Amino acid sequence: AQTVTQSQPEMSVQEAETVTLSCTYDTSESDYYLFWYKQPPSRQMILVIRQEAYKQQNATENRFSVNFQKAAKSFSLKISDSQLGDAAMYFCAYSLNYGGATNKLIFGTGTLLAVQP
Amino acid sequence: SQTIHQWPATLVQPVGSPLSLECTVEGTSNPNLYWYRQAAGRGLQLLFYSVGIGQISSEVPQNLSASRPQDRQFILSSKKLLLSDSGFYLCAWRNRETEAFFGQGTRLTVV
Repeated sequence: AQTVTQSQPEMSVQEAETVTLSCTYDTSESDYYLFWYKQPPSRQMILVIRQEAYKQQNATENRFSVNFQKAAKSFSLKISDSQLGDAAMYFCAYSLNYGGATNKLIFGTGTLLAVQP
Repeated sequence: SQTIHQWPATLVQPVGSPLSLECTVEGTSNPNLYWYRQAAGRGLQLLFYSVGIGQISSEVPQNLSASRPQDRQFILSSKKLLLSDSGFYLCAWRNRETEAFFGQGTRLTVV
C-alpha cells in the first residue's frame, strides 16, 4: 500500500529565510503525482505545488520549489524568502496517475510551519 | 469555473443521533470525490472515495457510510454517532489529472 511520511511535525523559520520541509513516500508504481498543500488557520486546503513523476525537472511556483528524487522516493518543499503568511500546516500528498478505482489521494501527517518576524 | 460546496460548516450532535453531511460540485462532470477526516491539528485520513455514481470505496472500518446518488453529490452519513466521530470533515473533488479541490470543511462535535 502507498504511504506518505512527513517526519517533521513542526518547523520554524525566520522571516526572509529559507526552509525545507521533508516528505518521503512508498510506492511500487512508476507513474504518479505528488502535491504539497497548505492549510492556514482557516483550514482551507490550498494547493502549493504539484509534480508529475514522469517529469525529471523539479516543479517551481514563485518562492516555492521542490526537490524530487524519484529513486529515493523523496519530495521536499523549499520555501524561499519566507513570509509571515506562509505560516500554516503543510501536507504532502500522493496519487497514482490512473483513472480507475484505485485513484486515491493519500496525505502525510503534516508539518506545522511557524514564521518568526 | 468549478466550485465545491460543503455544509454545514459546524455541527453539534448528541451521541446516538444520525448524521448527514453533504457535498456538491459544480462546473465539472464525473469527478472523483473524497471524504477526509482531520483530527485536531493533525493529518487527513481518507475515509471514502468514489469514482462514479453509486461507486463507493471505504478506506477504514468505521461508524460512517458514504453515498453518491448523483454525479456531483457526495454524502457522508451515520445512523448513530459516537464520541469518536468528532472531528473536521473535508470533502474534495478532482478529475483524472488534476490536483484535488477542497470544500470549506465541517467541524463536527459529538456531545
